[in-house]
Amino acid sequence: QQQVKQSPQSLIVQKGGISIINCAYENTAFDYFPWYQQFPGKGPALLIAIRPDVSEKKEGRFTISFNKSAKQFSLHIMDSQPGDSATYFCAASMGGGSYIPTFGRGTSLIVHP
Amino acid sequence: DTGVSQDPRHKITKRGQNVTFRCDPISEHNRLYWYRQTLGQGPEFLTYFQNEAQLEKSRLLSDRFSAERPKGSFSTLEIQRTEQGDSAMYLCASSLTVGVGYEQYFGPGTRLTVT
Repeated sequence: QQQVKQSPQSLIVQKGGISIINCAYENTAFDYFPWYQQFPGKGPALLIAIRPDVSEKKEGRFTISFNKSAKQFSLHIMDSQPGDSATYFCAASMGGGSYIPTFGRGTSLIVHP
Repeated sequence: DTGVSQDPRHKITKRGQNVTFRCDPISEHNRLYWYRQTLGQGPEFLTYFQNEAQLEKSRLLSDRFSAERPKGSFSTLEIQRTEQGDSAMYLCASSLTVGVGYEQYFGPGTRLTVT
């Protein structure tokens, strides 16, 4: 059972465009939703994260939108740059001393110059 | 470099052989995690330690897998009698148990190929 569903699997955008990646979760006990960025040959790195008590969080060109009732959240990358080309993973975790993330399958983003 | 390091970065082994991977976390981090990542998938949790205690193991961690963190610093992950299905990237991460989400810092991974 895939607890975090991510789409699209791959995404191609032009430089300066907006990249949008969507995720949906099933377990309402999840209370922490991070996004990770992974470059080839590297481990994932935390990009931005949100708690369900807010609907949006913005850090620079990266914004998370969160819809608790729909159990969906998304990552928006504004003014996408070729350096943003990477694989992006959404994740969800529960607190209570654990915070072990359940990851989505990833989205391969290519930003053309 | 004070990040998480893993050794070796690549390992090719024949089916049935045993392999051992090492992870050195960020020095002050009390938690250490192991994940497995296959092509086209996100990382899947295997196990984690808080200091030297192994607190949780995933059902993915079969009895051929064993992990240790003897002095609460580095950790090893051993796979006995490797199978072709064990071929994957094995990621290590570490964190402090402070703040929201206990931000995890990942190492570069060890890519295992079982022939």
